[in-house]
Amino acid sequence: GNSVTQMEGPVTLSEEAFLTINCTYTATGYPSLFWYVQYPGEGLQLLLKATKADDKGSNKGFEATYRKETTSFHLEKGSVQVSDSAVYFCALSVKVTFSGGYNKLIFGAGTRLAVHP
Amino acid sequence: DARVTQTPRHKVTEMGQEVTMRCQPILGHNTVFWYRQTMMQGLELLAYFRNRAPLDDSGMPKDRFSAEMPDATLATLKIQPSEPRDSAVYFCASGLGGDRVAGANVLTFGAGSRLTVL
Repeated sequence: GNSVTQMEGPVTLSEEAFLTINCTYTATGYPSLFWYVQYPGEGLQLLLKATKADDKGSNKGFEATYRKETTSFHLEKGSVQVSDSAVYFCALSVKVTFSGGYNKLIFGAGTRLAVHP
Repeated sequence: DARVTQTPRHKVTEMGQEVTMRCQPILGHNTVFWYRQTMMQGLELLAYFRNRAPLDDSGMPKDRFSAEMPDATLATLKIQPSEPRDSAVYFCASGLGGDRVAGANVLTFGAGSRLTVL
């Protein structure tokens, strides 16, 4: 089946530290991959995405590269800030063929990041 | 910024009561999703609408949950009767449907409705 596995949190870092949040997936076909971020008390926001193998998504200093050979989409940032404290969700988009067909997002469990000054 | 608006933000109710959650999608978006978020299960897809038609509600308990879009500016999720296990945060998200649509698969989420059933 289709699924996303993320590293368990919480991840606790000091400001300016390097961040890696691991994400691996299983899917039939060639899904698009996403990272969404959820700040406290808010809904999820798209952080970055990649639609095919070897694509690199980037936004706000975060990066993730679509690795088909390792079925991974790890999130990285070179220097985290306190304002990056949030829950990060890896997701993949799969094609649902019934009901007229649509793209369904399947989310990982989320990884909480806490950055301290 | 365009945003998805959900009401109520918080709801505390007693078991057996009816609960209705509302969502105003972004103007021009033709797809609406309802997700439920719990600590144990994470984010679960409950229902999907495109052009106001319910196309997939396989993730939704049919005996007590119902989802509708009476018009393009309003989506509702109703639970009747509610149970303590329904306690969760319910998110509505909207987007543009279709593989060839620029920005397809990019969803905008509302801030969620936190439901507590006692």
